Amino acid sequence: EAGVVQSPRYKIIEKKQPVAFWCNPISGHNTLYWYLQNLGQGPELLIRYENEEAVDDSQLPKDRFSAERLKGVDSTLKIQPAELGDSAVYLCASSASGYTYNEQFFGPGTRLTVL
Amino acid sequence: SQQGEEDPQALSIQEGENATMNCSYKTSINNLQWYRQNSGRGLVHLILIRSNEREKHSGRLRVTLDTSKKSSSLLITASRAADTASYFCASPRVSGGSNYKLTFGKGTLLTVNP
Repeated sequence: EAGVVQSPRYKIIEKKQPVAFWCNPISGHNTLYWYLQNLGQGPELLIRYENEEAVDDSQLPKDRFSAERLKGVDSTLKIQPAELGDSAVYLCASSASGYTYNEQFFGPGTRLTVL
Repeated sequence: SQQGEEDPQALSIQEGENATMNCSYKTSINNLQWYRQNSGRGLVHLILIRSNEREKHSGRLRVTLDTSKKSSSLLITASRAADTASYFCASPRVSGGSNYKLTFGKGTLLTVNP
């Protein structure tokens, strides 16, 4: 069974440029998560989707970040414009449902460097 | 803000030794999870313990939970070089309304020397 797929794996951009990350969850998983992980820290939730609905986006900085999951399968996270402080690893995860006992499966992440 | 705090921040042991990592959390939980992260396999779920459980085993892993002290521990027995990784505890925390988010600690960096 294929795991969570993310692309690109690495991205280097200059500040003020836009950037987008793509995630394809495990087949059949209704719940999709985007996390941000800074160096030396644990992941922090940005947004959670149940199918195509964003049910928790309270941690997403909406002035520059946006996300979509149009058909309830793959998802895109966008930053526009990027700032130096956005340099981090962006992780996508999926689970069968949003039930708190469900295991989350993580992708390899996208390491973003903003110069 | 972090829900769990792991201790120690870093741990270095020899292959074959046991490794113990601790996690403290702040608010009531219904379960606590441990994850491992290394460069090869990314972030991987290891084990989940429910609030009504005190101990759980999975292979060489043993997790305990003390809800009265709001703490958990992860024991890895007979460690191997491949166990070198960062270990995170995580627990659901209210994120607003009826939403819960899995909140991670800062992790313990375990190095197992051959």
